[in-house]
Amino acid sequence: DVKVTQSSRYLVKRTGEKVFLECVQDMDHENMFWYRQDPGLGLRLIYFSYDVKMKEKGDIPEGYSVSREKKERFSLILESASTNQTSMYLCASRGQGADIQYFGAGTRLSVL
Amino acid sequence: KNEVEQSPQNLTAQEGEFITINCSYSVGISALHWLQQHPGGGIVSLFMLSSGKKKHGRLIATINIQEKHSSLHITASHPRDSAVYICAVSGGDSWGKLQFGAGTQVVVTP
Repeated sequence: DVKVTQSSRYLVKRTGEKVFLECVQDMDHENMFWYRQDPGLGLRLIYFSYDVKMKEKGDIPEGYSVSREKKERFSLILESASTNQTSMYLCASRGQGADIQYFGAGTRLSVL
Repeated sequence: KNEVEQSPQNLTAQEGEFITINCSYSVGISALHWLQQHPGGGIVSLFMLSSGKKKHGRLIATINIQEKHSSLHITASHPRDSAVYICAVSGGDSWGKLQFGAGTQVVVTP
């Protein structure tokens, strides 16, 4: 069965902290995505990766960076967390040429 | 302006009622997706459509490419159908990027 695992369901951090959100998929997928989800705005793409060490900016990359050192793992980094980064973060993966994305359960991040 | 618009934003129905959620888009697409998100966050794919109609159990999805419009219908709704339903479109790029609607919160009461 397909599995995308996000390391934390809930996180509380302080303003200015460096935050790491981890995502692991077990399907050998080439493409991985990080989204944030806010009420009334839906899911917005932060970054995606189409291969190891390859990354592309999405629609809202400011304040974020990513790392993909291994095919199965895609990390989202908040270099200096701010209160406007309080949100639900969702990771997804997709095989090359496949039809659908598979989503993790999400991490609800609160920045105080 | 979002290129994928859903309506209504919120919907409450009584068990057994027929539910319709609408999605309109303004960009060229290769496919349209309907997704379901239960409380707690996880998102699952319900349908992927590029034309016509698909049915799975009590769920029916239709798309009209000329009108750039899709509908998701839930027949004989049940409280377990309570969830956020999300419309998303893919433009056919090789990475499978999606653009999402804001979602429709559906609550089905017993």
